[in-house]
Amino acid sequence: QVQLQESGPGLVKPSQTLSLTCTVSGGSISSGSYYWSWIRQPAGKGLEWIGRIYTSGSTDYTPSLKSRVTVSIDTSKNQFSLKLSSVTAADTAVYYCARGILLTTFYFDYWGQGTLVTVSS
Amino acid sequence: DIQMTQSPSSLSASVGDRVTITCRASQSIISYLNWYQQKPGKAPKVLIYAASSLQSGVPSRFSGSGSGTDFTLTIGGLQPEDFATYYCQQSYSTPPTFGQGTKLEIK
Repeated sequence: QVQLQESGPGLVKPSQTLSLTCTVSGGSISSGSYYWSWIRQPAGKGLEWIGRIYTSGSTDYTPSLKSRVTVSIDTSKNQFSLKLSSVTAADTAVYYCARGILLTTFYFDYWGQGTLVTVSS
Repeated sequence: DIQMTQSPSSLSASVGDRVTITCRASQSIISYLNWYQQKPGKAPKVLIYAASSLQSGVPSRFSGSGSGTDFTLTIGGLQPEDFATYYCQQSYSTPPTFGQGTKLEIK
């Protein structure tokens, strides 16, 4: 059973960089045709996809955040990471990591439990 | 970005009811549409992928239909554990986008 677990600081100061790591267990991050994504959800609001990385290292990002986002992968640690720079209060949200699978269509089949990141001084 | 619009935004129903949630895309997404269920404090869980394919382990009372721009999620015979928020998500183009959610509440 694949499991994903987010980790990182729960509080980030404005203008600083948010850094989160997702550790994958129960399977190798580099096996299969999977996409490893970050998705966020402000309190009481909907889901926003941030970006994804393939095991090849290629990435895609949502246009509105592209200038501030970097997603990377460390296959030796079975982890992938998110960096979001120049954060503001608008970046306060629960951040999820998720596995994307291509099966007729692309969808998210495994998710982490989510981690709340608050941007505040 | 493709905009996804769900209706209604909220819905009250009783155990045993049959309910339908609608999702409309701002352009054709063929059948690249997925449905998720989210309970408070939990991550979303996929129910339906490719518009009508039931994810393994999901009860058969959940079903999806549609193509092009209009899609529906139907829950036949609501159970107490089905009261949650439901999201549609398109995977036709990058970035993948979600609907705003439909909150299903107990009447």
